[in-house]
Amino acid sequence: DAGVIQSPRHEVTEMGQEVTLRCKPISGHNSLFWYRQTMMRGLELLIYFNNNVPIDDSGMPEDRFSAKMPNASFSTLKIQPSEPRDSAVYFCASSSGGSLDGQPQHFGDGTRLSIL
Amino acid sequence: AQTVTQSQPEMSVQEAETVTLSCTYDTSESNYYLFWYKQPPSRQMILVIRQEAYKQQNATENRFSVNFQKAAKSFSLKISDSQLGDTAMYFCAFIRGSQGNLIFGKGTKLSVKP
Repeated sequence: DAGVIQSPRHEVTEMGQEVTLRCKPISGHNSLFWYRQTMMRGLELLIYFNNNVPIDDSGMPEDRFSAKMPNASFSTLKIQPSEPRDSAVYFCASSSGGSLDGQPQHFGDGTRLSIL
Repeated sequence: AQTVTQSQPEMSVQEAETVTLSCTYDTSESNYYLFWYKQPPSRQMILVIRQEAYKQQNATENRFSVNFQKAAKSFSLKISDSQLGDTAMYFCAFIRGSQGNLIFGKGTKLSVKP
């Protein structure tokens, strides 16, 4: 079975540019999560979708970040304009079931984002 | 606030020996789920083991087992017969029953030495 697919694997861009990260969850999973990993803050949730609807976006740092899930098989995380402090590894994860049954989340390989 | 604490930033173990990684958490919820994830140098996040808080029996997966002490809010991971491929960062995490997202500890870097 195909796992969670993220693209690109690496992204290097200059400050001020728009960055779009993409995620294809595991087929049949109805929950999708975007996490960010940095040395300083560890792994933290950015946003969480259930059945394509954003449920919790309290972790989105500021208005420069936006996320969409137009259908059950695709999600994007966009940063505009990007800043050097956005440099991190961004993970997408998906799980089956609702929020009450603690189903394990399966992670993509992550996107390493470097903003110069 | 919900928190997860991993008090051992780094650990090392000889190949074939047993090692235990510590994790404590803080929550007022009664319904929650606990996880250990492994992140090797390849950066992947790999699920190691899952524990349901309402189950008293400790979860096991091959060489990996947990010691779940609900009253103490402790969830340690024991790796038996350590292998070189176990070298990785290990993250303890939990999900509250009322929420969907994982809350992670800062991780323990485990090195298995030949």
